[in-house]
Amino acid sequence: SYELTQPPSVSVSPGQTARITCSGDALPKQYAYWYQQKPGQAPVLVIYKDSERPSGIPERFSGSSSGTTVTLTISGVQAEDEADYYCQSADSSGTMGVFGGGTKLTVL
Amino acid sequence: EVQLVQSGAEVKKPGESLKISCKGSGYSFTRYWIGWVRQMPGKGLEWMGIIYPGDSDTRYSPSFQGQVSISADKSISTAYLQWSSLKASDTAMYYCARWVTARGEVYFQHWGQGTLVTVSS
Repeated sequence: SYELTQPPSVSVSPGQTARITCSGDALPKQYAYWYQQKPGQAPVLVIYKDSERPSGIPERFSGSSSGTTVTLTISGVQAEDEADYYCQSADSSGTMGVFGGGTKLTVL
Repeated sequence: EVQLVQSGAEVKKPGESLKISCKGSGYSFTRYWIGWVRQMPGKGLEWMGIIYPGDSDTRYSPSFQGQVSISADKSISTAYLQWSSLKASDTAMYYCARWVTARGEVYFQHWGQGTLVTVSS
């Protein structure tokens, strides 16, 4: 079955830039989406269509795509950004969704 | 305002059946797919499947095909996730979410609050 691969963890100091990657063979054909999940809460969409930001999401969140890898970038990381981040896309047919394994962002 | 409200936490024994619900409001329930996502304790999100309440077209991830059943009652704007015989490994938080499919986009736009299912003897 189709898989998306993320690093298990990323650590940054406050004010620095965090980059979280997600790799998958179908990413050149399918958009990627990013969700933030804080402990005890439901996930929240922070990036859609590779690089679009939903209303209400701070400008420090951005996304990019290159080949089989997409990247979530958080510029000027704040303590409140500490959370698990999941990428999501679809298989090559576009009918079945899939999540990456998730990345725990730690703000030092 | 789009809202998805899920049924409350459940504690069940292995072998029992269970049906949890997700009620949509604030939008046309029959015109959007609804999906279910599993999160086992301390683990990541898993895409289980989706249903289109307008015609009950349903799609399952291969990992969940035959393990659960997804249904919907459009007359009461409610989607369901059902087990016929629970196992301890079904212990997890289950989220419903509205699945957007348009113009090549496929993602969960709005989420329910989650339903915790605990299966223990």
